Amino acid sequence: NAGVMQNPRHLVRRRGQEARLRCSPMKGHSHVYWYRQLPEEGLKFMVYLQKENIIDESGMPKERFSAEFPKEGPSILRIQQVVRGDSAAYFCASSPQHLSGYTFGSGTRLTVV
Amino acid sequence: RKEVEQDPGPFNVPEGATVAFNCTYSNSASQSFFWYRQDCRKEPKLLMSVYSSGNEDGRFTAQLNRASQYISLLIRDSKLSDSATYLCVVVQNSAGGTSYGKLTFGQGTILTVHP
Repeated sequence: NAGVMQNPRHLVRRRGQEARLRCSPMKGHSHVYWYRQLPEEGLKFMVYLQKENIIDESGMPKERFSAEFPKEGPSILRIQQVVRGDSAAYFCASSPQHLSGYTFGSGTRLTVV
Repeated sequence: RKEVEQDPGPFNVPEGATVAFNCTYSNSASQSFFWYRQDCRKEPKLLMSVYSSGNEDGRFTAQLNRASQYISLLIRDSKLSDSATYLCVVVQNSAGGTSYGKLTFGQGTILTVHP
């Protein structure tokens, strides 16, 4: 039973490019959460999704960031026109319902050069 | 004021020592509380849930004081493998009253256990 799978593990983008981060939840999990961890800081909630629905995006920056969790396939966090300040570790978590079985993926480390 | 505040640390202790971490939270409506552990450049992992009655898991004891909005973690007989960042985590109910898993993390406290 694979855990939460995130890819890529490391992603390097030049300023102005797009970054796409993928998260495949654990089997049977229908709730997906994205968090961002800036260097030397704690994790900050970004967005909570269920299949085909964004439930809470209160932590998402207003511009350039979007997330989706389609009926088929992984959840995608998309960052357009990346800037140096987007460099961070992005963690995805999934759960079957509410808080039970909450599990984090290994994260994607985005570096913007 | 931050939603979740932890001891700034870092804590540097010898093997066998007892160490305590404190955490306060600002939202009295918070419903669930946890301690997570994060090793360098890895994902956070659940260490233990925190209950009002207090709970213990081996060398680890967690306490919650709802009146003071205060959470603690005590580690006894520290091991080298306990070296990590310890994250205090709080969950608040949504406006609809359900607790759906939006975790609010403290900044973390770094613990280094040395021989």
